[in-house]
Amino acid sequence: GENVEQHPSTLSVQEGDSAVIKCTYSDSASNYFPWYKQELGKGPQLIIDIRSNVGEKKDQRIAVTLNKTAKHFSLHITETQPEDSAVYFCAAKDSGGYQKVTFGIGTKLQVIP
Amino acid sequence: DSGVTQTPKHLITATGQRVTLRCSPRSGDLSVYWYQQSLDQGLQFLIQYYNGEERAKGNILERFSAQQFPDLHSELNLSSLELGDSALYFCASSVGNEVHNEQFFGPGTRLTVL
Repeated sequence: GENVEQHPSTLSVQEGDSAVIKCTYSDSASNYFPWYKQELGKGPQLIIDIRSNVGEKKDQRIAVTLNKTAKHFSLHITETQPEDSAVYFCAAKDSGGYQKVTFGIGTKLQVIP
Repeated sequence: DSGVTQTPKHLITATGQRVTLRCSPRSGDLSVYWYQQSLDQGLQFLIQYYNGEERAKGNILERFSAQQFPDLHSELNLSSLELGDSALYFCASSVGNEVHNEQFFGPGTRLTVL
């Protein structure tokens, strides 16, 4: 099955700085990579996703890059704001017949005002 | 608010007991997913139902079972509970059966097994 590793586990940045979270996956046939944000006391929420036929996708201050050769994908948040503080999860779709994703362990991002 | 509702919000029970967690998907969504979130294991996919039928299975224990009813709500049954089953249990729903259909998560049920 798929194995997703995520780092760092915690990340503190000053407001206005950029934050980068990195993930690696094991199954070279994986083709869908979503990112979720989980605020305290809430369920995860999809913030951006990328498919394997593109290398980068941007949505305002958030961008995701994918390197299929290295089996790496990363989340980039620019001009961070206090409301970006949350736990972020990367995930990768299993390539088997099942329609499911495997999640990374999560990164707790703290944006310091 | 994602539109997905889960009850109860909190549940405290003893080892060996059985509990049922309930999920109502967003209006119009046919897929329901169940996840377990614990501190040491992260977010683990348990099982998916689509329009009443089981479609995908993850690391779900044999002591756990789920079903989706004709009105599309879903229940997750956990039996012979152990201390290690203490976790947050999330339900998510999506409109379709494909994993790239956006999943909307409920607020979760926090289960504590004493």
